[in-house]
Amino acid sequence: EADIYQTPRYLVIGTGKKITLECSQTMGHDKMYWYQQDPGMELHLIHYSYGVNSTEKGDLSSESTVSRIRTEHFPLTLESARPSHTSQYLCASSESGFMFGLGSGNTIYFGEGSWLTVV
Amino acid sequence: KNEVEQSPQNLTAQEGEFITINCSYSVGISALHWLQQHPGGGIVSLFMLSSGKKKHGRLIATINIQEKHSSLHITASHPRDSAVYICAVSSARRGSRLTFGEGTQLTVNP
Repeated sequence: EADIYQTPRYLVIGTGKKITLECSQTMGHDKMYWYQQDPGMELHLIHYSYGVNSTEKGDLSSESTVSRIRTEHFPLTLESARPSHTSQYLCASSESGFMFGLGSGNTIYFGEGSWLTVV
Repeated sequence: KNEVEQSPQNLTAQEGEFITINCSYSVGISALHWLQQHPGGGIVSLFMLSSGKKKHGRLIATINIQEKHSSLHITASHPRDSAVYICAVSSARRGSRLTFGEGTQLTVNP
């Protein structure tokens, strides 16, 4: 059973509010990711981290920011929420030790997602 | 053209039917993942493959590296199998980041 948790699961907030989505994993994984997914659409990587103090922007431009002060914790923050931020946000993690070539790659574990509605 | 393409996009089956979902990719990969997403958004990792075939219960996943193709099979399908099934690949070129297919919406009717 994967141990990766997201809070809150559902949130409705007003425009201009600051919001932090929490993500924690107890598996000691170095790699953590935030994906954004609109209903019925593909997942898009918005941030990732390969370890403590490592954060990178993903494929989809996002106005959110992330931090990785502890291995187990990867919060995502929107400083000023807008209706265009309404979406589902999925956190994921995987082990380190990624190696190139066949036979590599690690199982990825997803949190249950945070549904954000900005009104 | 997407780097990862799935077919079909939508699939409706009767309970008990054998189901196949296909995934083709156009880049060199190090691993291919099959994910399941139920209504409400929770995603479960079903398989991670780099070669050959894996089986878990009624689910079977195969991959042909030369043909850049993978299939997910569900035997004796059940209404609880209704979900979106997503193919995703990781490649050396992109580190450990995943590229996702658009997903296949499966509905299994009783």
